[in-house]
Amino acid sequence: DAGVTQSPTHLIKTRGQQVTLRCSPISGHKSVSWYQQVLGQGPQFIFQYYEKEERGRGNFPDRFSARQFPNYSSELNVNALLLGDSALYLCASSLAGASVETQYFGPGTRLLVL
Amino acid sequence: AQTVTQSQPEMSVQEAETVTLSCTYDTSESNYYLFWYKQPPSRQMILVIRQEAYKQQNATENRFSVNFQKAAKSFSLKISDSQLGDTAMYFCALVRRRSSGSARQLTFGSGTQLTVLP
Repeated sequence: DAGVTQSPTHLIKTRGQQVTLRCSPISGHKSVSWYQQVLGQGPQFIFQYYEKEERGRGNFPDRFSARQFPNYSSELNVNALLLGDSALYLCASSLAGASVETQYFGPGTRLLVL
Repeated sequence: AQTVTQSQPEMSVQEAETVTLSCTYDTSESNYYLFWYKQPPSRQMILVIRQEAYKQQNATENRFSVNFQKAAKSFSLKISDSQLGDTAMYFCALVRRRSSGSARQLTFGSGTQLTVLP
């Protein structure tokens, strides 16, 4: 079975631009979460979606937005990019409702803002 | 708020030896889950082992086992018979077990870089 997939793998943008990152969950998983991992740190929670509804949001500005589609794939959108948005963006999917809702991660998208 | 602390930024171990990575956490919740993930240079975050807080028995997964001390809020990872492929950044993470409809966000520690030496 395919794991979580993310695209693109790498991206270079300039300050002020907008970026869209994409994620496809493991087949059968209905919940998708997004994390930002700055170099040398642990991932920080951005969003979680379940059945196309936002379930939670971390401490990130409104420049960050996301959505989930009927096929449970998800997009993370970041507007007005700042240098500090340079990071690895990780997507994780989980089988919502399971006794232990383990999150399985994709390979990430490396975003560099110049 | 919940926090996860990993006080060992770097560790090394000889191949075939045993190593223990430390993790402490703080949460006001009584029901939660703890995880260890590894992140090799390829960047893929891979689940190593998980522990349900209401279970007293320590989880094991082949060469990986945990020492879960709930009262002390400690959750260490022991790797036996270390292999070169175990070289990676290891993250401890916590998620609260909440009611349906609410977010189940992972809170991560800062990580421990483990290097297995030949």
